[in-house]
Amino acid sequence: GQQLNQSPQSMFIQEGEDVSMNCTSSSIFNTWLWYKQDPGEGPVLLIALYKAGELTSNGRLTAQFGITRKDSFLNISASIPSDVGIYFCAGLGGSNYKLTFGKGTLLTVNP
Amino acid sequence: DGGITQSPKYLFRKEGQNVTLSCEQNLNHDAMYWYRQDPGQGLRLIYYSQIVNDFQKGDIAEGYSVSREKKESFPLTVTSAQKNPTAFYLCASGASWYEQFFGPGTRLTVL
Repeated sequence: GQQLNQSPQSMFIQEGEDVSMNCTSSSIFNTWLWYKQDPGEGPVLLIALYKAGELTSNGRLTAQFGITRKDSFLNISASIPSDVGIYFCAGLGGSNYKLTFGKGTLLTVNP
Repeated sequence: DGGITQSPKYLFRKEGQNVTLSCEQNLNHDAMYWYRQDPGQGLRLIYYSQIVNDFQKGDIAEGYSVSREKKESFPLTVTSAQKNPTAFYLCASGASWYEQFFGPGTRLTVL
């Protein structure tokens, strides 16, 4: 089946630093989604990308849909303590119309 | 308030017992989904329903069953046939595959 490789698995950064994480796949996706999950809660949708090459921002978050349609990245600028959580990428399309999730990036921000 | 509710937040059951997890939404969404999350893993799709009285198996349906008798409700039963039932279960609803809004989750522990 389709798989997403999300990296890094975890990050420890200082407040104020910028963060970058990415997802890659051997399959083509038609939509890329980025979610954030707080401990013990459900994921919350941060950004949705629908076109190859698309660059979309949501406050301090910026995400891009790779031109090959096989990758996406998420950047967080000027991190703050409430950015702590697990960030998931998810892809839709390709061989079937089901969301495929990456394994997540655990972000820790030291104040 | 509009949203997705899952109850209970924490559930404990003895091995060999069936248990039903509740998921209700008042967002008027046609589609509803159940995912399982294990530590350090992405979300894996158990079952989904795109319309009332119809549902489809996801990637890990064995040992689970669902019903969709009402648009608002999509309960998941974890049966005794599920070999490793202890996990965090997430319900979602949406107008389409790329618009999935998650509930707060139920943590099931089988003793």
